[in-house]
Amino acid sequence: EAGVAQSPRYKIIEKRQSVAFWCNPISGHATLYWYQQILGQGPKLLIQFQNNGVVDDSQLPKDRFSAERLKGVDSTLKIQPAKLEDSAVYLCASSLGGSERYEQYFGPGTRLTVT
Amino acid sequence: AQSVSQHNHHVILSEAASLELGCNYSYGGTVNLFWYVQYPGQHLQLLLKYFSGDPLVKGIKGFEAEFIKSKFSFNLRKPSVQWSDTAEYFCAVIASGGYQKVTFGTGTKLQVIP
Repeated sequence: EAGVAQSPRYKIIEKRQSVAFWCNPISGHATLYWYQQILGQGPKLLIQFQNNGVVDDSQLPKDRFSAERLKGVDSTLKIQPAKLEDSAVYLCASSLGGSERYEQYFGPGTRLTVT
Repeated sequence: AQSVSQHNHHVILSEAASLELGCNYSYGGTVNLFWYVQYPGQHLQLLLKYFSGDPLVKGIKGFEAEFIKSKFSFNLRKPSVQWSDTAEYFCAVIASGGYQKVTFGTGTKLQVIP
């Protein structure tokens, strides 16, 4: 089966610019996650969707980050305006359901560099 | 709030050596525990998981982990590592009950020397 797709794979922007990342989860997976992984740290959950509804966005910096999952399939994560500390790999993952017992499948990530 | 500690940031082993990577968590209730692995140039993938029952769980590629509740630990082990085990390993925890977000540790980079 096809895995989680993400694009772009790499992005370099200047601070104060905006950027958007796209994620296409595995077909049939109801739950979608966005993580931020800063160099030297583990992934940090930014937002979790169940179908097209938000389950948890408590760690999403809402003053600059936004995410949507229209129609409960693809999702986009946007940063506007970007700051230097947003440099990180942004990972998308999906799972069949939201229970902790469902395995999460990760995409390749988007490496963002903010200069 | 739950947290996860991985004390070894970088481990270098020779092939055939035994491996043990430490993972400790802090949470007072019931937890679900995971080890993920990221091979060079590849995606994060699940190595093994513990929900309940036998505290010794076996995963893919000969890895196993033991849940010791009294020590809040879930250490990853492999009796004999191979060069292909070179990767970064992440421990993760999700508390049980209702909705609980996953918390990852900072990861351990394992380098196996042929």
